[in-house]
Amino acid sequence: SAVISQKPSRDICQRGTSLTIQCQVDSQVTMMFWYRQQPGQSLTLIATANQGSEATYESGFVIDKFPISRPNLTFSTLTVSNMSPEDSSIYLCSVLAENYGYTFGSGTRLTVV
Amino acid sequence: AQSVAQPEDQVNVAEGNPLTVKCTYSVSGNPYLFWYVQYPNRGLQFLLKYITGDNLVKGSYGFEAEFNKSQTSFHLKKPSALVSDSALYFCAVRDMFSGGYNKLIFGAGTRLAVHP
Repeated sequence: SAVISQKPSRDICQRGTSLTIQCQVDSQVTMMFWYRQQPGQSLTLIATANQGSEATYESGFVIDKFPISRPNLTFSTLTVSNMSPEDSSIYLCSVLAENYGYTFGSGTRLTVV
Repeated sequence: AQSVAQPEDQVNVAEGNPLTVKCTYSVSGNPYLFWYVQYPNRGLQFLLKYITGDNLVKGSYGFEAEFNKSQTSFHLKKPSALVSDSALYFCAVRDMFSGGYNKLIFGAGTRLAVHP
């Protein structure tokens, strides 16, 4: 299965600033996903990022707030823009590899103060 | 709409006893079902999946799950629980109808506590 390196693992940020999270995969994958896990909650999909096309955002998430880049088949970034305390969550990237093997990164624990 | 339900917020079991974490699903067509585990300050780790074939699926760390189409369930089981199994468990289903993007839809999660 694919191995994902996600950075940073955690950060504490000031409100109004932005944080970019990186997701590096050790193999080429077509589909990458970004999830948010709010404290004590389940995972909610933010967007699907396919190489060579614009990310597809789920209801309630917009590109201005969560811009995503997908420059190649092994890398993606998610930016959390103009942060507020409500953005404090764990953010996880995920990839779909062969035979429906969904793999997840270790997550980025974001605290906004 | 595709969905999964985990009816129990928490499951408590004594070490050495069998454990069951429940999951029911609602999908159109044949479901692709998954179980993941999340330890504190960690990402999600894959346990097992059902795509097709045998209804009893064996996975990592001694876990197994049984796909039951008539009851629309996919309960996670282990014959003998370990304290180290204490974690948050998520059931998920592949969404096949949202533009073909293959996203996973997760249940609310069940916290498993195994007591010595």
